[in-house]
Order: sequence, then C-alpha cells, then structure tokens
Amino acid sequence: GAGVSQSPRYKVTKRGQDVALRCDPISGHVSLYWYRQALGQGPEFLTYFNYEAQQDKSGLPNDRFSAERPEGSISTLTIQRTEQRDSAMYRCASSLAARKETQYFGPGTRLLVL
Amino acid sequence: SQKIEQNSEALNIQEGKTATLTCNYTNYSPAYLQWYRQDPGRGPVFLLLIRENEKEKRKERLKVTFDTTLKQSLFHITASQPADSATYLCALPNYGGSQGNLIFGKGTKLSVKP
Repeated sequence: GAGVSQSPRYKVTKRGQDVALRCDPISGHVSLYWYRQALGQGPEFLTYFNYEAQQDKSGLPNDRFSAERPEGSISTLTIQRTEQRDSAMYRCASSLAARKETQYFGPGTRLLVL
Repeated sequence: SQKIEQNSEALNIQEGKTATLTCNYTNYSPAYLQWYRQDPGRGPVFLLLIRENEKEKRKERLKVTFDTTLKQSLFHITASQPADSATYLCALPNYGGSQGNLIFGKGTKLSVKP
C-alpha cells in the first residue's frame, strides 16, 4: 500500500512569504507527527495529532508555525512570514494508533527560504 | 530535559564484522527505546523497539540491548554487509512529553567496506 506522502518535495520561497506543507498519512493511521530535520541531525519533534485533535504542539518554535488536521487525515503545516532560519527538511510521520509506537516517515519537504 | 547521545558520528567497519552502535540517554529511563535506519535523501525507517523490561531484542542480523542502569542501548549488526551502510538513529519518548513526543539522537553513520 501507499506510504506517507508529502508535498511539495521542494519549496523555495522568499523571506516574509507564507508556506503550507502538506502531509498525507498512511490510510487508517490515527496519529500524525511533524518533525524538522537539519543536516546531520536527527528529526526534531514539532507537533502531533490523534485524529483531528492536536495533542502536543510544544515543539513548534514560535507562533509563526501552526498545523492542522481538520478531518483527521491530511495535515498541513503552515509557516507564516518565513525567515531564513526556517530552511530545513520538514518530515511527516504517521502511526496506526496513539499507543502504537512505530512511526512511518514520509520523504520530507525541503524548504529553502531566500 | 532528556538528552540522547550517540557517541560516534561515524563508524567504518569491514564486511562480515559486527557493527556496534551506542545510544546513551540522561535523566529518566524511558518506557521504550527505538532504532531507525535512514538512507541519504530518505525518511527514517523503523527497525526495532525495546521496552524497559526487556534486556535484549533480536530481528534477523540485528540485536538491541537496553541497560537501564547504564542508561544505554547498544545496537548490533552481525555479519555486516555494504548494504547496511546508512545512518542509524535512536529515539525515545521525551520526559514529561505526550505519548507521541519522541526525541532522536543525531545518528551514527555506518560505512561497511567490502
């Protein structure tokens, strides 16, 4: 079956613009996670959802970052007024249920803010 | 807060030898610890999970140990092959965080030479 998909795969934007990154989890997966990964580092937790409910947003760096999952499936991570320091790989993962620890990662969206 | 240290940034070994990667954590002992494999340009792929009441877990040529006294997990690949070359990440639940809040180590880049 299909894995986690993310779009776009690459996004180049100018400083100050808003960007929306999309994640389509594995069908039927209850939990969805957003991470940010810098080169040479492990993924850094941003936020996660069970169904449509955002359970934890403690990893979002500041209020320019927000995420939603309105129908409990596809999720969007939005970064407003982008800054150069926001440039990174943004990864999405999903898991079958909240208590199923195995996370399945998508290919990521590479964001470059000029 | 919880921190993870993967002691070696890079490990080079000869084909056929056993690779041993280390993951140390500070503070509390987590309920479980996971190991992921990440190839260049791709998302992490789940390999193994070991719980705090398990000392050892095996899967084919992979073996993971978990020592809560030493606050350490060891990840072994026996009879290593060039195809095992990748970055290996350990991850565990963040202390005081929600169920889905995982923290990852920086990873160890393993190179298996033929």
